[in-house]
Amino acid sequence: GQNIDQPTEMTATEGAIVQINCTYQTSGFNGLFWYQQHAGEAPTFLSYNVLDGLEEKGRFSSFLSRSKGYSYLLLKELQMKDSASYLCAVIDSNYQLIWGAGTKLIIKP
Amino acid sequence: DADVTQTPRNRITKTGKRIMLECSQTKGHDRMYWYRQDPGLGLRLIYYSFDVKDINKGEISDGYSVSRQAQAKFSLSLESAIPNQTALYFCATSDRGRFTGELFFGEGSRLTVL
Repeated sequence: GQNIDQPTEMTATEGAIVQINCTYQTSGFNGLFWYQQHAGEAPTFLSYNVLDGLEEKGRFSSFLSRSKGYSYLLLKELQMKDSASYLCAVIDSNYQLIWGAGTKLIIKP
Repeated sequence: DADVTQTPRNRITKTGKRIMLECSQTKGHDRMYWYRQDPGLGLRLIYYSFDVKDINKGEISDGYSVSRQAQAKFSLSLESAIPNQTALYFCATSDRGRFTGELFFGEGSRLTVL
């Protein structure tokens, strides 16, 4: 079966750095996405990785290792507004999007 | 105004009732999707449509039906609602092409079936 694993919940401090991990076992791989979802709101696109390595976008970076079936989302200089759930999703060989359950990130002052 | 609009945003209904959730989009995208989200679970695909004449079942289509009335409109129906269909429902769109994962979501429709 296809599976995406993320921690259920993480806590971090305002101004700090946090890394949210995602591991996947899917039938094929055509890309990995990270989405942000604030409570009660729609998910919004953060990043896309299809090649190994780090993609940086402002305070957010996303890393991919296809050989290890592993990605992480790195958030720097945390702000209170970063409190949200972060969803990892993988496109499989049939171009279907497989979603993880999401990681709820709690930011404390 | 939102690019992807869902109505109603909230609905409480009783077991056995027929419910329709509507989605319209102004992004000009060909591809539209219906997902449900439950606490502790990932988004699960109910149905998707790549154009007006194309309808496909997702992983959890039982108990649901859809209609693609136009490129911009995609509605989801629950013919006879049951309590385990209580969930947050999202409509989403994406553009044609190889980069098929970037989805644009509506604001969600929270459905409660009593």
